[in-house]
Amino acid sequence: KNEVEQSPQNLTAQEGEFITINCSYSVGISALHWLQQHPGGGIVSLFMLSSGKKKHGRLIATINIQEKHSSLHITASHPRDSAVYICAVSFADGLTFGKGTHLIIQP
Amino acid sequence: EAGVVQSPRYKIIEKKQPVAFWCNPISGHNTLYWYLQNLGQGPELLIRYENEEAVDDSQLPKDRFSAERLKGVDSTLKIQPAELGDSAVYLCASSLGGYNEQFFGPGTRLTVL
Repeated sequence: KNEVEQSPQNLTAQEGEFITINCSYSVGISALHWLQQHPGGGIVSLFMLSSGKKKHGRLIATINIQEKHSSLHITASHPRDSAVYICAVSFADGLTFGKGTHLIIQP
Repeated sequence: EAGVVQSPRYKIIEKKQPVAFWCNPISGHNTLYWYLQNLGQGPELLIRYENEEAVDDSQLPKDRFSAERLKGVDSTLKIQPAELGDSAVYLCASSLGGYNEQFFGPGTRLTVL
């Protein structure tokens, strides 16, 4: 069974700060997903990646397959980025999710 | 195009009562998932359908939980009877199958009193 660990569990930062959320997993995967979940809302897929780096607006996701590690970065953070960010990995049996990182960006 | 639709969005019931959740996946998505998400945790798979066939229900507590996807489109998840510990968010997701991206519905937040 794949274990997915995220850190930190909770993160509070000031508007404008550079944010990094980390994810590590124990077994080889086919893809890694970064998901965003707002309070009371559903889950939105931010990135799906299997190698290298992807960028979308102020969000950047990287993955190191050899080290079984991925990071999600947010540049110039804004209060609207406040949400739970979840890392999930795809392998033979489906998706395994991390517990999520609760991010709060204060104005 | 509409995303994954779930109803109701919120449900409050007393313990021992039955409850049902409904999911309408994205058109053309043959794979449908039901997840349970407890507060502060990531989603956990309950059951996965490929068309109308349940291909992975190993994590579904079959003594009280049941699910169906009769025509391979909409799906219903039922709990009977509900227990206090069933309070959680129940998420439905759909995809084209395999390692394709999953699209999530807004979830149903269940509170059992």
